[in-house]
Amino acid sequence: DADVTQTPRNRITKTGKRIMLECSQTKGHDRMYWYRQDPGLGLRLIYYSFDVKDINKGEISDGYSVSRQAQAKFSLSLESAIPNQTALYFCATSDRWGYTFGSGTRLTVV
Amino acid sequence: GNSVTQMEGPVTLSEEAFLTINCTYTATGYPSLFWYVQYPGEGLQLLLKATKADDKGSNKGFEATYRKETTSFHLEKGSVQVSDSAVYFCALTWMDSSYKLIFGSGTRLLVRP
Repeated sequence: DADVTQTPRNRITKTGKRIMLECSQTKGHDRMYWYRQDPGLGLRLIYYSFDVKDINKGEISDGYSVSRQAQAKFSLSLESAIPNQTALYFCATSDRWGYTFGSGTRLTVV
Repeated sequence: GNSVTQMEGPVTLSEEAFLTINCTYTATGYPSLFWYVQYPGEGLQLLLKATKADDKGSNKGFEATYRKETTSFHLEKGSVQVSDSAVYFCALTWMDSSYKLIFGSGTRLLVRP
């Protein structure tokens, strides 16, 4: 099994729908992150969490929310999806030695 | 604020050509610098890193040297292969950032046989 698992891998949803992207990890790391990747913009941080009780906004948190259900699980929600949230979403974990990324969720909002 | 600037792609090379992908940064203090690689359909993998000035990171034939005087961390490889075709991201983190990574925009490399 992958160290960081994201589900679903691909999703098409309609404008206005609520959608949740899930992430689970087997690394045992406390720190978890959600990034968004857009062509020509690199990866931008949406939210990050240093433990179950510590949730922080990143640079582009508007329109998103997160839940840290356990040390190993960190989900990202779009309460009311809009087309400009179409992107590739990555979950990651880290410790002092570095980051581990999931394989990404490709989300299309139509 | 802290930021990373990469050369725009795509970069198209023939197999065995020399590769340079430029990366410069703006940061307060003493950041750690990274190169990540993203192969088609996959997540990001750490390629190499350097944590202090004049350090050289290396892996799989790729190298990058942390140049504080020019605030640069250029990625180089002496002889690229078709399998090196991917998107390359330069990134940094710094001590009081709580280890958040800041990424450059990415550079796509296409190596032709």
